Amino acid sequence: DAKTTQPNSMESNEEEPVHLPCNHSTISGTDYIHWYRQLPSQGPEYVIHGLTSNVNNRMASLAIAEDRKSSTLILHRATLRDAAVYYCILRDGHYGGSQGNLIFGKGTKLSVKP
Amino acid sequence: EAQVTQNPRYLITVTGKKLTVTCSQNMNHEYMSWYRQDPGLGLRQIYYSMNVEVTDKGDVPEGYKVSRKEKRNFPLILESPSPNQTSLYFCASSTLAGGYGLFFGSGTQLSVL
Repeated sequence: DAKTTQPNSMESNEEEPVHLPCNHSTISGTDYIHWYRQLPSQGPEYVIHGLTSNVNNRMASLAIAEDRKSSTLILHRATLRDAAVYYCILRDGHYGGSQGNLIFGKGTKLSVKP
Repeated sequence: EAQVTQNPRYLITVTGKKLTVTCSQNMNHEYMSWYRQDPGLGLRQIYYSMNVEVTDKGDVPEGYKVSRKEKRNFPLILESPSPNQTSLYFCASSTLAGGYGLFFGSGTQLSVL
């Protein structure tokens, strides 16, 4: 069963901000929200993760809703190199729980127009 | 350099001929996992391992075997490959803590004729 729901595709213009949404209405208290992206012909790569608070790193920002049932990955200025498939997944922080079984789904394919 | 290494990068084989795809990580990670990626179906987990000698089924384990005899290695074994196992395979590793990200290998493109 998919634990997260993402739009199949999104479009953005170069140098504009992009907000990629993810719904995870059945999130548990120990689930971390992780984002990965997969560039064409490459393996997925880690982008960012969070538990309750908003997070920033050099690649992106993660905004987490107060009830944690949704989150948004924010790319502040999209570049052509950001065109990729973005995956939002939940990872249980409680050892021995469902920590090992990770469900990626189909992700959101982001297209960036020059 | 921290990395997950998969071999081979490309493999063409015939139905029924046993094969092994290797995966090795140099980060002392407890957790390792295998995924397959097919057009329109996204990434689906095959098997995972929480530590040495501990393995468990993911969402699509049929037709695959794994072993975890050493911490760094997690080979994927196809005892009798079939054409429906033609796919792009990824290995990943991480620490067990939920607050740490996965590292992925570069992938193995397998074609079963």
